[in-house]
Amino acid sequence: DAGVIQSPRHEVTEMGQEVTLRCKPISGHDYLFWYRQTMMRGLELLIYFNNNVPIDDSGMPEDRFSAKMPNASFSTLKIQPSEPRDSAVYFCASRRGGNTEAFFGQGTRLTVV
Amino acid sequence: AQSVTQLDSHVSVSEGTPVLLRCNYSSSYSPSLFWYVQHPNKGLQLLLKYTSAATLVKGINGFEAEFKKSETSFHLTKPSAHMSDAAEYFCVPDNNAGNMLTFGGGTRLMVKP
Repeated sequence: DAGVIQSPRHEVTEMGQEVTLRCKPISGHDYLFWYRQTMMRGLELLIYFNNNVPIDDSGMPEDRFSAKMPNASFSTLKIQPSEPRDSAVYFCASRRGGNTEAFFGQGTRLTVV
Repeated sequence: AQSVTQLDSHVSVSEGTPVLLRCNYSSSYSPSLFWYVQHPNKGLQLLLKYTSAATLVKGINGFEAEFKKSETSFHLTKPSAHMSDAAEYFCVPDNNAGNMLTFGGGTRLMVKP
């Protein structure tokens, strides 16, 4: 397996634009997580899915953020409209279930100017 | 719910000397615990995990951790630091209730030549 695949690796966009981050989890993993990492706040859990269903989105900072998982092999995190304070590295991770390792993607570095 | 405290935000060691990264957990029962490592500009990778099978857990790259219930600790150690060990290390409890993985502040390990 190629691991968790995120795209794009880097995204630079202007304030007010819509940004879509993509994630392909490892096949057979039931859980998918979206994290955001910044120097100020560290690694924050934004939302996670179990069997494609959002379970906890309490970490999503604002209504500008939305996440979907239309099927077991694909998820998106969308920011609309984007703001400079959204600049961060966004990680996607997947795992089979409790007590198992979570595998992380390489991240998407988002810069909003 | 389980929580952990990483007692040091930064640790600096010389190459070839032992590494000790401290983690204490707070739980009324034996938790599942992970150590993850994040090298600069990379995603996170599992070093090792404790799931009650054995109190001394060996991980990758020569790291190991010992679960001590009497001290509620799960410290990460390595006999001899290498320059490539310079990274951020996260002690993470497994939230059995929701299968979430919530990351704290981490410990930044610096290795001096």
